[in-house]
Amino acid sequence: DQQVKQNSPSLSVQEGRISILNCDYTNSMFDYFLWYKKYPAEGPTFLISISSIKDKNEDGRFTVFLNKSAKHLSLHIVPSQPGDSAVYFCAASGSGTYKYIFGTGTRLKVLA
Amino acid sequence: GAGVSQSPSNKVTEKGKDVELRCDPISGHTALYWYRQSLGQGLEFLIYFQGNSAPDKSGLPSDRFSAERTGGSVSTLTIQRTQQEDSAVYLCASSLRQYPRSAEAFFGQGTRLTVV
Repeated sequence: DQQVKQNSPSLSVQEGRISILNCDYTNSMFDYFLWYKKYPAEGPTFLISISSIKDKNEDGRFTVFLNKSAKHLSLHIVPSQPGDSAVYFCAASGSGTYKYIFGTGTRLKVLA
Repeated sequence: GAGVSQSPSNKVTEKGKDVELRCDPISGHTALYWYRQSLGQGLEFLIYFQGNSAPDKSGLPSDRFSAERTGGSVSTLTIQRTQQEDSAVYLCASSLRQYPRSAEAFFGQGTRLTVV
C-alpha cells in the first residue's frame, strides 16, 4: 500500500522554465510534508517543507503547494537551473508519529 | 561530527552471511530512521526509533532484519543470512522531535550493500 505516490518517474525541463513536481497521498492523517533532493551516490538532502495548516510555503526559487482536499502537493522550481537536475522525493508524516513515508521519486533533468 | 555518519560506505558480502551496518546520528537527535533504496526504487521505510519508546519495526521486510539503538545514539542494522534481493543502499537519518513539527530528517550518505 503506497501511501505517498509520485506518478511521474521523470521530467525534463528547459533551463529558465518552471519545473513542477507532483505528489499524492492517501492518508488523511498526514499533517507534515517535505521535499528532498538526491544526487547520485549521496544521501537525500532536505529542500522545503509545509505544515497542513498552510497551503503554500516559499523559499527562494522553490515553492511547495498543498491541497488538502485533493491530498496533493506540488513543488515548483522557478527558474529551473541545470544544477537542479536530481531525483526529488516527497515525504509525509503524521498520525501522531514522526515517521516519514517517502514517495518513489521523480528524476528531474534540466536541459541547458 | 556535524552530520549523520554511516559505515561502511560499501559492503560486498556472500549470500548467506550476516552483515552489520552502523549509523551515528547527529548529536541530540532523538529520532533515528533506517530506509533502503533498491536499484530504481524509492526510499523504503524499514524502522524508526524515537527516544526510549518501542521502535516502529513495521517496515522490516523479514525476520532476518533487526536493528538496535544503544544509549539513544548509535544504531546498528543487522541482516542475517543475506540474500541477493537484500542488495540496496541502506540509508540512515536522524531528526529532532519538536513541537510544532518543524524538523526535517537529515540523511547519511548510505551504505551500499551488494550480496553476491
